[in-house]
Amino acid sequence: GQNIDQPTEMTATEGAIVQINCTYQTSGFNGLFWYQQHAGEAPTFLSYNVLDGLEEKGRFSSFLSRSKGYSYLLLKELQMKDSASYLCAVRDSNYQLIWGAGTKLIIKP
Amino acid sequence: IAGITQAPTSQILAAGRRMTLRCTQDMRHNAMYWYRQDLGLGLRLIHYSNTAGTTGKGEVPDGYSVSRANTDDFPLTLASAVPSQTSVYFCASSETAGSSTDTQYFGPGTRLTVL
Repeated sequence: GQNIDQPTEMTATEGAIVQINCTYQTSGFNGLFWYQQHAGEAPTFLSYNVLDGLEEKGRFSSFLSRSKGYSYLLLKELQMKDSASYLCAVRDSNYQLIWGAGTKLIIKP
Repeated sequence: IAGITQAPTSQILAAGRRMTLRCTQDMRHNAMYWYRQDLGLGLRLIHYSNTAGTTGKGEVPDGYSVSRANTDDFPLTLASAVPSQTSVYFCASSETAGSSTDTQYFGPGTRLTVL
């Protein structure tokens, strides 16, 4: 079967750095996505990785290792508005997105 | 309109009733999707449409039907609602299905409660 694993919840301090991990086992791989979802709102696109390595976009970076079936999202200089759920999704061989359950990130002052 | 709209925002429905959730996008995207999101689970694909006039079944299609008469609209119908269909429903669209770089954009969601 197909599986995406992420921690259920993480807590971090304002101004700090946090790394949210995602491991996956899917039938085929055609890219990995990270989305942010604030409570009661729609998911919004954050980043996309298809090749191994780090993609940096402002305070957010995403890393991919296809051989290990592993990705992480790195958030720097945390702000209170970063409190949200972060969803990892993998595009499989049928070009459908398989979604993890999400990681709820709690930021404390 | 900008992006994707969904209606209604929320709905309480008696079991056995028929309900249509509406979704409209103005980005001229070819592909559209319906997901449900339940606590502790990832988004699950119900139905999708790669282009106007075509539809396909996702992971959890039972009890739901869709149509895609034109590019902009993609309604989801529950023929006879059951309590297990209580969920938050998200509509999404993307420029072109079948591309690895294709990014999905989501509507604001419909919160449905079936009693």
